[in-house]
Amino acid sequence: DADVTQTPRNRITKTGKRIMLECSQTKGHDRMYWYRQDPGLGLRLIYYSFDVKDINKGEISDGYSVSRQAQAKFSLSLESAIPNQTALYFCATSDTGYTEAFFGQGTRLTVV
Amino acid sequence: AQSVAQPEDQVNVAEGNPLTVKCTYSVSGNPYLFWYVQYPNRGLQFLLKYITGDNLVKGSYGFEAEFNKSQTSFHLKKPSALVSDSALYFCAVRDMDTGRRALTFGSGTRLQVQP
Repeated sequence: DADVTQTPRNRITKTGKRIMLECSQTKGHDRMYWYRQDPGLGLRLIYYSFDVKDINKGEISDGYSVSRQAQAKFSLSLESAIPNQTALYFCATSDTGYTEAFFGQGTRLTVV
Repeated sequence: AQSVAQPEDQVNVAEGNPLTVKCTYSVSGNPYLFWYVQYPNRGLQFLLKYITGDNLVKGSYGFEAEFNKSQTSFHLKKPSALVSDSALYFCAVRDMDTGRRALTFGSGTRLQVQP
């Protein structure tokens, strides 16, 4: 089983719909992250959490919200999806600030 | 603020030749530096990191990277490229002196190794 699991892997949704992307991890890490990948732009940070009660906005948080339900679970929501939120979304975890991050397989989201 | 630049969108190299993928960074303090690789339809996989110590860091699959503080660079290298090295490579940085930061990634460099 994967250490970082994202569901769903692929999703097509309509403009204006609310959608939730889920992430769970078995690494036992405190730190969890949501990134978005767009061609030519690399990975951009949406939100990150250093523990259950510590949620922080990243560089592109507008239009997104998150919930840290437990140490192992970190969900990303699009309250009202729009086409320019079509992207590949990655969840990641890390143990500390100087250890590497572990990534999930990604969720390919298409907003039509 | 922290940032990473990968100046080449794509690098082409013949199999067996050495490869270099460039990365420069900007942080206000000291950097933690990372390289990741992404194969098609996969997540990012960790290759190597520089935290402190020896400027030449060795990682997975025969890759290495050299930290150069004066040039603020962390170029990824491999002495002999394989076709299977073809993938998307990302450099990432975290400011060591700001422990509450997440990783900042570059825009990625696509490596194409021709047989």
